[in-house]
Amino acid sequence: QLQLQESGPGLVKPSETLSLTCTVSGGSISSSSYYWGWIRQPPGKGLEWIGSIYYSGSTYYNPSLKSRVTISVDTSKNQFSLKLSSVTAADTAVYYCARLVFGVVIHFDYWGQGTLVTVSS
Amino acid sequence: EIVLTQSPGTLSLSPGERATLSCRASQSVSSSYLAWYQQKPGQAPRLLIYGASSRATGIPDRFSGSGSGTDFTLTISRLEPEDFAVYYCQQYGSSPPVTFGPGTKVDIK
Repeated sequence: QLQLQESGPGLVKPSETLSLTCTVSGGSISSSSYYWGWIRQPPGKGLEWIGSIYYSGSTYYNPSLKSRVTISVDTSKNQFSLKLSSVTAADTAVYYCARLVFGVVIHFDYWGQGTLVTVSS
Repeated sequence: EIVLTQSPGTLSLSPGERATLSCRASQSVSSSYLAWYQQKPGQAPRLLIYGASSRATGIPDRFSGSGSGTDFTLTISRLEPEDFAVYYCQQYGSSPPVTFGPGTKVDIK
């Protein structure tokens, strides 16, 4: 059974960089049919896609966040990571990592449990 | 940008009733790229329906999806107590390639 687990600081100061890692277990991040993505959800609000990465390193980002986002992959550790720079209180959210099935159909089939990141001084 | 609109915002129903949730897109969406998720408080979203009408593994057959183009529907034939949750539709398409609808909350009447 595939599992994804987010890890990283739960508190980040304004103007600093938020860094999270997603560890994938029970399957290989190098599978050819999948991208890997980050999605966030501010408290009490809806879901916002941040970006996705292929195991080769190919990325695509939400244009609304693109200037501040970097997603990278480490296939040797079966992990992928998110960096979001110059954070403000508006970036406070639960951050999820998920697997994106990418082929004839496209959807997120496995999700991590999510991690709350609060931006505050 | 393709904007997804979900209606109603909240649906108040009793167990055993039928729930019909709507997802409308501002532009045509490929049926292959339309999915539905269920989210309960404190939990991650769970995939229910992909390709507009295919149930994900382990999803009961009381959940069904339909639609094409700009209009999609999630139907729960008979609500069970565990079905009271928030439901999101999601599409893959043009920039940004992935968008979610704002959600429909199904609560107990």
